Amino acid sequence: GIQVEQSPPDLILQEGANSTLRCNFSDSVNNLQWFHQNPWGQLINLFYIPSGTKQNGRLSATTVATERYSLLYISSSQTTDSGVYFCAVDLPYTGTASKLTFGTGTRLQVTL
Amino acid sequence: DVKVTQSSRYLVKRTGEKVFLECVQDMDHENMFWYRQDPGLGLRLIYFSYDVKMKEKGDIPEGYSVSREKKERFSLILESASTNQTSMYLCASRTRTPTYEQYFGPGTRLTVT
Repeated sequence: GIQVEQSPPDLILQEGANSTLRCNFSDSVNNLQWFHQNPWGQLINLFYIPSGTKQNGRLSATTVATERYSLLYISSSQTTDSGVYFCAVDLPYTGTASKLTFGTGTRLQVTL
Repeated sequence: DVKVTQSSRYLVKRTGEKVFLECVQDMDHENMFWYRQDPGLGLRLIYFSYDVKMKEKGDIPEGYSVSREKKERFSLILESASTNQTSMYLCASRTRTPTYEQYFGPGTRLTVT
């Protein structure tokens, strides 16, 4: 099956710092999403980004599908950005339902 | 906004009990999913449903069953709860068109004692 690797696995930042999270995947994909899992466990949608670049406030994401990677940029980090960031991909639809394959996540801690 | 709700945030059950976890989505999504999440193991797919009364096994279906009688509701059933089913359970839904964007519920932390 498709492999999804995220780096770094852990990241500690001081408030105000910028960071880049990376997601590499081993095969061509139809879709790619970034999620933030908050300390209460809920997975929140950040970006649906199978290709190209999107921005939402202090966050932006870029996917280069031909090179099989995606980047999530966090600028001016805040303590509320703490949590785990997952990327998830799925293969071209071939059956009853496409299913996301999740990366192992990047655990981010933002300190004062 | 898409809304996926789960019946309980926290649940404590005894070994051997039958447990129902309910999930409801309000966006008329065709596909619904149940995952469990455990430290060090990531998100693992238990079952999914691609239409009413249609279901398929995911990666770890043993010990679980599901029911989808209405499009908006997808239930996960633990026929006889065991301590190794203590976990965080996450429900999700997604549509097929125009995008395949997936949305998650808030999760249920189940403890089996």
